[in-house]
Amino acid sequence: SQQGEEDPQALSIQEGENATMNCSYKTSINNLQWYRQNSGRGLVHLILIRSNEREKHSGRLRVTLDTSKKSSSLLITASRAADTASYFCATERSYQLTFGKGTKLSVIP
Amino acid sequence: EAGVVQSPRYKIIEKKQPVAFWCNPISGHNTLYWYRQNLGQGPELLIRYENEEAVDDSQLPKDRFSAERLKGVDSTLKIQPAELGDSAVYLCASSLTLAAIVETDTQYFGPGTRLTVL
Repeated sequence: SQQGEEDPQALSIQEGENATMNCSYKTSINNLQWYRQNSGRGLVHLILIRSNEREKHSGRLRVTLDTSKKSSSLLITASRAADTASYFCATERSYQLTFGKGTKLSVIP
Repeated sequence: EAGVVQSPRYKIIEKKQPVAFWCNPISGHNTLYWYRQNLGQGPELLIRYENEEAVDDSQLPKDRFSAERLKGVDSTLKIQPAELGDSAVYLCASSLTLAAIVETDTQYFGPGTRLTVL
């Protein structure tokens, strides 16, 4: 069963713009992770934020976590065509990762 | 460092036929996972191994699916017999430990095996 729900389901932006994706979940978690999946390829881990953290940065990525609202957001700044992919949030609880359905991001050159 | 290796990359079979997928995790990774990803969905865990022990197989349809991880390294996932609804991408992942104690303990995914059942 899917715990995380990403929003929007699809997003199309121009190169150089920022992209924001949101994730909501239902139960308490140990941490929340974001993954990227290019067409026909495996998932690549992007960033992990723990339940006691509120914000984390990694390069052009910024992740926030609001445990009171059970939600997270992923911001990609200065997007590039190579950022075109599906992005999944995954919540970890009891050693198990539960993925959402993903946001399909298209960055137009 | 080599990543998670899976084979075959693609498999097309007729329903009721058996099929097997193979996974070689990253060297030194104790924990191995099999996921199934249906079209337009996120991956769903089928089974998790800690070394050679299956510590969570609650979501594995045991009537037709089986898995093994001999010697706590490579793993195979088998479906017998396959049904039309089994068409999906089967992903293998590995991690150093069971819990993401540090960020480097996160899961590393292979490219997957795309199964089509006709």
